[in-house]
Amino acid sequence: DIQMTQSPASLSASLGETVTIECRASEDIYSNLAWYQQKPGNSPQLLIYDANSLADGVPSRFSGSGSGTQYSLKINSLQSEDVASYFCQQYNNYPPLTFGSGTKLEIK
Amino acid sequence: EVQLVESGGGLVQPGRSLKLSCVASGFTFSNYGMNWIRQAPGKGLEWVAYISSGSSYIYYAETVKGRFTISRDNAKNTLYLQMTSLRSEDTALYYCARHLTGWFAYWGQGTLVTVSS
Repeated sequence: DIQMTQSPASLSASLGETVTIECRASEDIYSNLAWYQQKPGNSPQLLIYDANSLADGVPSRFSGSGSGTQYSLKINSLQSEDVASYFCQQYNNYPPLTFGSGTKLEIK
Repeated sequence: EVQLVESGGGLVQPGRSLKLSCVASGFTFSNYGMNWIRQAPGKGLEWVAYISSGSSYIYYAETVKGRFTISRDNAKNTLYLQMTSLRSEDTALYYCARHLTGWFAYWGQGTLVTVSS
């Protein structure tokens, strides 16, 4: 099984700041990676697929990058509505489909 | 508009069974693979099971293999998860999610399963 190691577990940043969340796979996943945002009390929502493709309706301040085993999600100009938990997920080799443990983002 | 609506959750004793349903609308259900994904209270996401569009391919997480059965009725636009021999560690919010090449563009609102005596 492919293990996904996500960091940091929590993050506090100021409005307008740029934040980066990292995800490391236990083996090469060839950019078969998605990112999700889960706001408190809501279902997860797809942000990024194929490591760097923005899902429909997602603001352009979100971006994904990476290759091989190392991937990142960047949020530019942090806004209050970005308070949420963020999860990465690999789909290169399944079953099982595996998620990172999540990053909880708060506003400082 | 794509909609996925789960139901069937509730409080159940350890060792008992429960069947979840997910009714889909707003897209051609029979064209898509579907998944169940769960989230224990305050925890992360765990993929549970996948079924292909025509039910030819079915996969399970090791944690539920042999206890849970995923199925679908394309005529009723409905996905199911039959859960047996439930354990306390199965307590979670269960989401159904539409599959596309491995990622999940659409999720339901979830149905809560609580396993407790």
